[in-house]
Order: sequence, then C-alpha cells, then structure tokens
Amino acid sequence: EAGVVQSPRYKIIEKKQPVAFWCNPISGHNTLYWYRQNLGQGPELLIRYENEEAVDDSQLPKDRFSAERLKGVDSTLKIQPAELGDSAVYLCASSLGTSGVYNEQFFGPGTRLTVL
Amino acid sequence: GEDVEQSLFLSVREGDSSVINCTYTDSSSTYLYWYKQEPGAGLQLLTYIFSNMDMKQDQRLTVLLNKKDKHLSLRIADTQTGDSAIYFCAESIGTGANNLFFGTGTRLTVIP
Repeated sequence: EAGVVQSPRYKIIEKKQPVAFWCNPISGHNTLYWYRQNLGQGPELLIRYENEEAVDDSQLPKDRFSAERLKGVDSTLKIQPAELGDSAVYLCASSLGTSGVYNEQFFGPGTRLTVL
Repeated sequence: GEDVEQSLFLSVREGDSSVINCTYTDSSSTYLYWYKQEPGAGLQLLTYIFSNMDMKQDQRLTVLLNKKDKHLSLRIADTQTGDSAIYFCAESIGTGANNLFFGTGTRLTVIP
C-alpha cells in the first residue's frame, strides 16, 4: 500500500513569490494534517482536516497561508506571498480519524521549501 | 499550551544502550509517542504508550512513563549505527484524530 505522497520534494523560490504544496493521503484516511518543521525543531501543526472540513486551523497564518481539501482526499497548501521565514519542511500526515480510539498518523517525506 | 522538552544531542558507542529523555507539561496527555526521523525522510512512528501505562517493551525498545513527574524515556538496547537519527517525543490529548505536539528532537549519534 502506498504511503502519504507529497510533491514537490524540494522547492526554491524568491521572497514574495507564491508556492503550493500537494499531498495525497493514504487511501481511506479521513483525517489529513499539515505540519511545518523549522530547522532544528519538531513539527508544528498548521491545519487539520476531517474529510473536507478544516476542524483546526488556529495555527495557520491566514494572511498568507491557505489550504484546501476538495472532495476530502488530496490537499493543497499555498503560501502567497512567501517570506524568508517560511523556509522550512512542510509535512503532510493522514490518519483514519475514527473517534474514540487510537489513531496513528502516517507522515509523508515532506517538501523542503527554501525562500531566497 | 503544550510544552515538550528534550535534550538536543546524545552519542553512544555501538552495542551500548541509549536512553533518550523527554518531559512534558500537559497532564491530560492521552498518548505519548516516539518518532524517528532520518535525513531526508518523513517521521516514522517507533512506538507509543497510553498514559495509564508505566512501561512498554517492543523488541529493542523500552518506553518508560512517569506520569507524576511528566517524564518519558526511550531506551534502545544494543544500539546500532542504523539507529543514528533524530528522535522526537510527542504527545496527544484525547482519542480519535488529534493533533500531535512534538519536542525539539534528540539527535542520536552511534559511534562504531
């Protein structure tokens, strides 16, 4: 079974440019997460989707970041315009999302963004 | 908010045991996890422990949880060079689909 797929793996852009990351979760997983991992730090949640609904976006900088999960499967995370401080690894994860029980999150390899 | 702390570096000799420590602040944590991250790779779940357990053993891995002190540790027996990686402690609250709160990671270096 395929794991969580992310693309691109690497992206280098100049500041003020837009950028988008794509994630395809594990088939059948209802819950999808986007995390940002700064250099030397642990991942921090940006947004969590349950099916198409963003149920927790409290840590998403909404002035420049947006995300969507159309049809409750693939998801796209966008930054416009990018700033130097956005350089990080953006990780996507998915889980079955069944309430009341343990749910393992499976992580993709991440997209490493460098903003020049 | 949730605060998870780890020491940054650990070096051990091949064949020795490694002990990676973690402290957390939220007493309502439901599950605590250990993830492994190798260069250029995503996070791999190694093991997890439910908050009402004290210990969990899985082959070379032993997890100890001291809920009173909010301290979690991961012991790797017979450490191998392939164990060199960054190890993250994480916690979640509640059951179902929940957010993970990660520590800063401990870089384990295994010396041949």
